[in-house]
Amino acid sequence: DAMVIQNPRYQVTQFGKPVTLSCSQTLNHNVMYWYQQKSSQAPKLLFHYYDKDFNNEADTPDNFQSRRPNTSFCFLDIRSPGLGDAAMYLCATSRVVGATNEKLFFGSGTQLSVL
Amino acid sequence: AQKVTQAQTEISVVEKEDVTLDCVYETRDTTYYLFWYKQPPSGELVFLIRRNSFDEQNEISGRYSWNFQKSTSSFNFTITASQVVDSAVYFCALSDVNTGNQFYFGTGTSLTVIP
Repeated sequence: DAMVIQNPRYQVTQFGKPVTLSCSQTLNHNVMYWYQQKSSQAPKLLFHYYDKDFNNEADTPDNFQSRRPNTSFCFLDIRSPGLGDAAMYLCATSRVVGATNEKLFFGSGTQLSVL
Repeated sequence: AQKVTQAQTEISVVEKEDVTLDCVYETRDTTYYLFWYKQPPSGELVFLIRRNSFDEQNEISGRYSWNFQKSTSSFNFTITASQVVDSAVYFCALSDVNTGNQFYFGTGTSLTVIP
């Protein structure tokens, strides 16, 4: 059974049109992450939530926002998508943050296309 | 600075051949963890193994084995008797004390096993 669920699997949006990607988890993990993965590149961390505490990576564009209304759900909002934002967006969870040995549990990702 | 290098971008092997995926890392910390993740075409990154910096024992799990050598800062992954289902992108990642929540992923190696 899927433990980290991302919907939709494929998302198409128009240049400049806001889009929201969703992630849910059944693991009851404290931490939820959003990664951006462009073609043939490593996943890049955008931000993470530790419970309700939001932690933004320094180089994450302001165009990207996130919401976590409860433990199970986390959303990625792209306010004005550009062509360069086309990528796979991966959601991941972990029990805690700051523990070096903590492994991540990933969803299947949402492939975003920007027309 | 932390860095993970996977020099092999793409590898193709014929089914039943053995294949080794290379991973070289850089870190100034003495305490760190190394990971391998598999990303099949479905997109989800699947955890394969975690190894801490103080444990240099090689590990074998079925057809998979890992060779960790601190002297060369390498954590190589070997698949014995490869199968078509092994076709995927494989990522090596590093997590260290100073950035416990930040995984440094390599750029991945795309493995194709030809029937």
